[in-house]
Amino acid sequence: DARVTQTPRHKVTEMGQEVTMRCQPILGHNTVFWYRQTMMQGLELLAYFRNRAPLDDSGMPKDRFSAEMPDATLATLKIQPSEPRDSAVYFCASGTGTKNTEAFFGQGTRLTVV
Amino acid sequence: AQRVTQPEKLLSVFKGAPVELKCNYSYSGSPELFWYVQYSRQRLQLLLRHISRESIKGFTADLNKGETSFHLKKPFAQEEDSAMYYCALYGLYGQNFVFGPGTRLSVLP
Repeated sequence: DARVTQTPRHKVTEMGQEVTMRCQPILGHNTVFWYRQTMMQGLELLAYFRNRAPLDDSGMPKDRFSAEMPDATLATLKIQPSEPRDSAVYFCASGTGTKNTEAFFGQGTRLTVV
Repeated sequence: AQRVTQPEKLLSVFKGAPVELKCNYSYSGSPELFWYVQYSRQRLQLLLRHISRESIKGFTADLNKGETSFHLKKPFAQEEDSAMYYCALYGLYGQNFVFGPGTRLSVLP
């Protein structure tokens, strides 16, 4: 049963610290999405990649957030410096990017910045 | 622009009652529409998609292109249906998933 894997599941950090979240997409999927979930905003698209190339990161605050795919099996989302308003659940999802596609979600990283 | 709206943040119904979760979208083209469900503290998972035209866990959804709607319906709600429901659009033009704000369904005993 192939699944998207995210680490860590939970992260508590102090304001100003760097946070790195990792995602392992399902093998063979060429599209990776990063979403942020909050009570107020719901599910917001931060960035997404196709074949490791960023297609759109307009939903991401550029001054502190960065997203990369060092290789096809790893996507990272970094926040530096972190702020309390970044507290949220961050989901990664992967898909095939073709017609009849579906987004498969990871279990999320629950980030708390104090 | 791609956009998905779900007018209800919270919907409470009694067990056995019919339920309808509303979803409207805007997209200049023929999108693919989905419903995702998120049970408490779990990952989002696909519930159903419009191209399948199938019923999953008693839920159905019909795409109405004239009204640009994709409402989710179930004739008799069960307590285990309590969850967060997200309507989503996949546009072949943008090639990304756009989610609505979500509706929390609470089925009361």
